[in-house]
Amino acid sequence: DAKTTQPPSMDCAEGRAANLPCNHSTISGNEYVYWYRQIHSQGPQYIIHGLKNNETNEMASLIITEDRKSSTLILPHATLRDTAVYYCIVSPSNTNAGKSTFGDGTTLTVKP
Amino acid sequence: DTAVSQTPKYLVTQMGNDKSIKCEQNLGHDTMYWYKQDSKKFLKIMFSYNNKELIINETVPNRFSPKSPDKAHLNLHINSLELGDSAVYFCASSQAVGDYGYTFGSGTRLTVV
Repeated sequence: DAKTTQPPSMDCAEGRAANLPCNHSTISGNEYVYWYRQIHSQGPQYIIHGLKNNETNEMASLIITEDRKSSTLILPHATLRDTAVYYCIVSPSNTNAGKSTFGDGTTLTVKP
Repeated sequence: DTAVSQTPKYLVTQMGNDKSIKCEQNLGHDTMYWYKQDSKKFLKIMFSYNNKELIINETVPNRFSPKSPDKAHLNLHINSLELGDSAVYFCASSQAVGDYGYTFGSGTRLTVV
């Protein structure tokens, strides 16, 4: 199953776009990329997922490179409430496994 | 309405005690999970149930026993609690096995003293 690599921390100015990268160079053709975030003392929250096309929802956009070896989560106008740990995970290729591994994630700090 | 609810939110207990954490989801999902988040903030899966059947047991000590009376409930019972069991335990659910769009509960902070 593919592993992911994310920078440990990033800062972003309030109102600016936050671009969070994730490397998943060993991803298989049928594995999805999922993004979650965890605000302090809360449960992780699903943000978005994709296979190979770019995706957008009310929370964020997901850009996946053509070779699918990396992706970027974009928060278009970051607010102070977006300060959280952001996790990029890849769904296991064996869909019967039913498990996923959350790595260390990226701690995003949005500053006024 | 809370989608995935866990009780209690906080649990402080002495070593050697037995305790349970309850989880309920009202989303109609088939699959439920228990995750453990330790002091280093690493989220690790413990168990997964699909329609009341155990499908994942990630080498968790057998002091931990999950029970799923129906697909909307997944409880976690822990025997002979140890200091190292102190962590935040999260329950989650998803529509089906292979769907990684999880909905997590707000967590249960277990402190063993």
